[in-house]
Amino acid sequence: GAVVSQHPSWVICKSGTSVKIECRSLDFQATTMFWYRQFPKQSLMLMATSNEGSKATYEQGVEKDKFLINHASLTLSTLTVTSAHPEDSSFYICSANTGGTYNEQFFGPGTRLTVL
Amino acid sequence: GDSVTQMEGPVTLSEEAFLTINCTYTATGYPSLFWYVQYPGEGLQLLLKATKADDKGSNKGFEATYRKETTSFHLEKGSVQVSDSAVYFCALRGSTLGRLYFGRGTQLTVWP
Repeated sequence: GAVVSQHPSWVICKSGTSVKIECRSLDFQATTMFWYRQFPKQSLMLMATSNEGSKATYEQGVEKDKFLINHASLTLSTLTVTSAHPEDSSFYICSANTGGTYNEQFFGPGTRLTVL
Repeated sequence: GDSVTQMEGPVTLSEEAFLTINCTYTATGYPSLFWYVQYPGEGLQLLLKATKADDKGSNKGFEATYRKETTSFHLEKGSVQVSDSAVYFCALRGSTLGRLYFGRGTQLTVWP
């Protein structure tokens, strides 16, 4: 199946700094990528839908100025957590649609962010 | 709107026991239904799917049948293994192209 990678797999940062997480579709072009946040022992919360070449669509309650999403190419989307605080610590997961007839969605392995 | 209600866990079973995780959904139109599995510290992997009523998805001994009359997509496995220990998510893809709606997840632990 199609492969989606995320980098880094884990990151620890100080409060007030910004962190960038990359999501790449390795063997297919993804016009649409999704960013999720997952709290411990909870389900995935969709943060935003990212379309190549256009602004991301954020879900209600997600601060667009805090979680900057850039979908610069058909294989890369980035999520930047700006001025991170301990409450931003979480597991961030991206996914990408293959498009086409089957339009399957494949998930990255996730990025564990810890803000000290 | 579209939503998924999933049986709350955790579920603890002995090896070779029968597994059922209930999932029901609410959706307009004709959604596709999915089961994803998440192993500790990892992202989600698609386990199986069904795209229309009465379809049965199956993989690795797991099965689920799309029941439109009961709006359900229950996950079953006849004989679980320790390696099946993970969190299982039921999901649907409804009217919005590509957007998935997830259930809360069910933690399964299988003891030897």
